[in-house]
Amino acid sequence: DQQVKQNSPSLSVQEGRISILNCDYTNSMFDYFLWYKKYPAEGPTFLISISSIKDKNEDGRFTVFLNKSAKHLSLHIVPSQPGDSAVYFCAASPRGDDKIIFGKGTRLHILP
Amino acid sequence: ETGVTQTPRHLVMGMTNKKSLKCEQHLGHNAMYWYKQSAKKPLELMFVYSLEERVENNSVPSRFSPECPNSSHLFLHLHTLQPEDSALYLCASSQDRAGVSYNSPLHFGNGTRLTVT
Repeated sequence: DQQVKQNSPSLSVQEGRISILNCDYTNSMFDYFLWYKKYPAEGPTFLISISSIKDKNEDGRFTVFLNKSAKHLSLHIVPSQPGDSAVYFCAASPRGDDKIIFGKGTRLHILP
Repeated sequence: ETGVTQTPRHLVMGMTNKKSLKCEQHLGHNAMYWYKQSAKKPLELMFVYSLEERVENNSVPSRFSPECPNSSHLFLHLHTLQPEDSALYLCASSQDRAGVSYNSPLHFGNGTRLTVT
């Protein structure tokens, strides 16, 4: 049973608009959440994270929102740029546990 | 060279072969990891090493044998693999164990694409 779910395998967004990637989780013990970005033929790279004591974290064009009651987080990218085309992985971890659980990823296509 | 380097990038091996995957990190990190990514599956943690000591073995079959001779190098020795072991194997490192510190995200290598025939 998947503990971290990214229900949209792919998403297409016009350049300059907002990209919203969604992630749901089932384990209430998760208290740290991360987003990774992966280009083809490269390993994932860390993008942004949020701990469960916050509901929002912002870094430049990237903002992660956490809704603990709904067990849902989202990554907002605004404005979307061509270089944002990649696979985005949502990940979560319980406190003090090395088992960072990853979702299956969402492929984001930024359209010109 | 910086970051996390994995060799080889691609490997094809028969079920009776013995091969090794190599990972080297140039970041001065204390923890290293092996992850497996199979087609249409999430990344799965295989092994965790912290300060050269194995701290996690995530129910991985014994045909996969990790080795961490020092904090910069990590190997995955492969022996009598099965076709279903074909996958992308990713090495990662972090300053401290990723679950212990919020400020310790994983830094991944580019992976070894393994095909078992």
